[in-house]
Amino acid sequence: GNSVTQMEGPVTLSEEAFLTINCTYTATGYPSLFWYVQYPGEGLQLLLKATKADDKGSNKGFEATYRKETTSFHLEKGSVQVSDSAVYFCALFQGGSEKLVFGKGTKLTVNP
Amino acid sequence: EAEVAQSPRYKITEKSQAVAFWCDPISGHATLYWYRQILGQGPELLVQFQDESVVDDSQLPKDRFSAERLKGVDSTLKIQPAELGDSAMYLCASSLAGNPTGELFFGEGSRLTVL
Repeated sequence: GNSVTQMEGPVTLSEEAFLTINCTYTATGYPSLFWYVQYPGEGLQLLLKATKADDKGSNKGFEATYRKETTSFHLEKGSVQVSDSAVYFCALFQGGSEKLVFGKGTKLTVNP
Repeated sequence: EAEVAQSPRYKITEKSQAVAFWCDPISGHATLYWYRQILGQGPELLVQFQDESVVDDSQLPKDRFSAERLKGVDSTLKIQPAELGDSAMYLCASSLAGNPTGELFFGEGSRLTVL
């Protein structure tokens, strides 16, 4: 079945550090890929997405590129801020089933 | 901006009691999902509706959980009786029929604590 594997957390960085959160997936066909973010006490919000191979999703300084050859969708940000502290979830969406399958999440803490 | 509404935000109950959660999706969204998120883990799909019909409830523990969406709009998820292991965040999400973008819109969730 479809699945998503994220790097284990938690991740703790200093402000302005470079962030990478690894995500790999297993799926049949060509899923769409997403990063969702969950700030403390809130629901999930879409951060960025990519719907086909080599697409790059970007938002709020975050980027991720859909790599079909490595089945990956790693999240990156060049300079993190304290306000980026949250839990980040990688997810895949299979059009036929219309289901979103999540990874376990990676908690990011950014210290001033 | 349209939002998915959920209530209650927080619920504390004792084991063996009944509990219910309500969700009102974004207007016009035909597909509605209930996810369960155990602390420290990613959300897992419990049930998926298309209008008033259940599309997938394969992960719903049907001996104690039930879900309905009678008029194809709002939805209720019920647990009876609640067990200690049911403590989690229950997330509701909605999307357009056919979901052309693959994007789900989530509510803020209902956090359940079973004592």
